[in-house]
Amino acid sequence: DVKVTQSSRYLVKRTGEKVFLECVQDMDHENMFWYRQDPGLGLRLIYFSYDVKMKEKGDIPEGYSVSREKKERFSLILESASTNQTSMYLCASSSGRETDTQYFGPGTRLTVL
Amino acid sequence: AQSVTQLGSHVSVSEGALVLLRCNYSSSVPPYLFWYVQYPNQGLQLLLKYTSAATLVKGINGFEAEFKKSETSFHLTKPSAHMSDAAEYFCAVSRYGNNRLAFGKGNQVVVIP
Repeated sequence: DVKVTQSSRYLVKRTGEKVFLECVQDMDHENMFWYRQDPGLGLRLIYFSYDVKMKEKGDIPEGYSVSREKKERFSLILESASTNQTSMYLCASSSGRETDTQYFGPGTRLTVL
Repeated sequence: AQSVTQLGSHVSVSEGALVLLRCNYSSSVPPYLFWYVQYPNQGLQLLLKYTSAATLVKGINGFEAEFKKSETSFHLTKPSAHMSDAAEYFCAVSRYGNNRLAFGKGNQVVVIP
């Protein structure tokens, strides 16, 4: 079974802190994704990576950056956390084909105070 | 740009009754369509997907969906709801040809005993 793990289930940070969210997949997938999930808004793509060190902006990249130094690991970085970044963050991975299933991690619920 | 529309954020269904969740897509090219489910405190998992092989697609847990090009729809159904079907359901369409997905806003399904 594909496994996508995220470093924390719950995280509480202060405004202005630098926040790292880590995601690891064990299926040698090329693609990795970071989404933000908010009630009534569904999932919105923050960033997407299709290879090591390669990334593309998604729909809402402002205030976020990403890092992919190894194929299995994709990190989301909040350079200076703000209260409007309080949300559920979901990581996913997939092979490179358009019809492939995305496999999701359990999510990190981030609260910024 | 490819997108999907899900109407009715909350859907209540009696146990044993038909589950019907509607999804309409907008796409300038033949779409690949997905339904994902999110159980409480979990990440998303694939229910089923349409990849142009067959218009009636069967998925896990007794769910199925029919692709209708003339109606630009991909509605999800299950003949008889079970208490374990209480979850949030998301429709998604593949875009840009690289497995990036555009998600709908989701349907929260409540099953009434």
